[in-house]
Amino acid sequence: GAVVSQHPSWVICKSGTSVKIECRSLDFQATTMFWYRQFPKQSLMLMATSNEGSKATYEQGVEKDKFLINHASLTLSTLTVTSAHPEDSSFYICSAPDPLAGVNEQFFGPGTRLTVL
Amino acid sequence: GESVGLHLPTLSVQEGDNSIINCAYSNSASDYFIWYKQESGKGPQFIIDIRSNMDKRQGQRVTVLLNKTVKHLSLQIAATQPGDSAVYFCAEKSQEGSQGNLIFGKGTKLSVKP
Repeated sequence: GAVVSQHPSWVICKSGTSVKIECRSLDFQATTMFWYRQFPKQSLMLMATSNEGSKATYEQGVEKDKFLINHASLTLSTLTVTSAHPEDSSFYICSAPDPLAGVNEQFFGPGTRLTVL
Repeated sequence: GESVGLHLPTLSVQEGDNSIINCAYSNSASDYFIWYKQESGKGPQFIIDIRSNMDKRQGQRVTVLLNKTVKHLSLQIAATQPGDSAVYFCAEKSQEGSQGNLIFGKGTKLSVKP
């Protein structure tokens, strides 16, 4: 199946700094990618939909100025957590549908563990 | 047996037994459903899917049942193995065939005792 990678797999940063997380589709092109956040022992919550060449759409309650999304190419979307605080510590996961595999199936990245001190 | 923790229900089974994981979905307009397996520290892995025009679908050792009347989905795992230990999520999607997002259920942690 299609492969989605994320980088870094984990990151620790100080409060107030910004952190960039990359999501890449390795063997397919993705015009749409999704960013999820998962707190411990909880489900995945959709944060935003990343659209190649246009602005991302954010779910209610997600601050677009804090979670900056850039989808500059058909294989890369980035999520930047600006001025990170301890409450932003979470597991961030991206996914992308591969149209050639049928748009219903989404392929998930391995996730990025963010810890803000 | 099955217990409900603070956030994540847990199902504990003996190796070799069958497991049944249940999920209630929220949107009667959802027309596509997927079960995912998530191991600790990893992203979700696709297990099996089902469209709303079906009520049962079988894969290798897994079966998904869909009851649209009561908006209930279940995942049956036959001859459960230690490697099946993980958290299982159901996900629903409206507009089957579109590149829309998935809505995930709460998840169930499956523990397999050797």
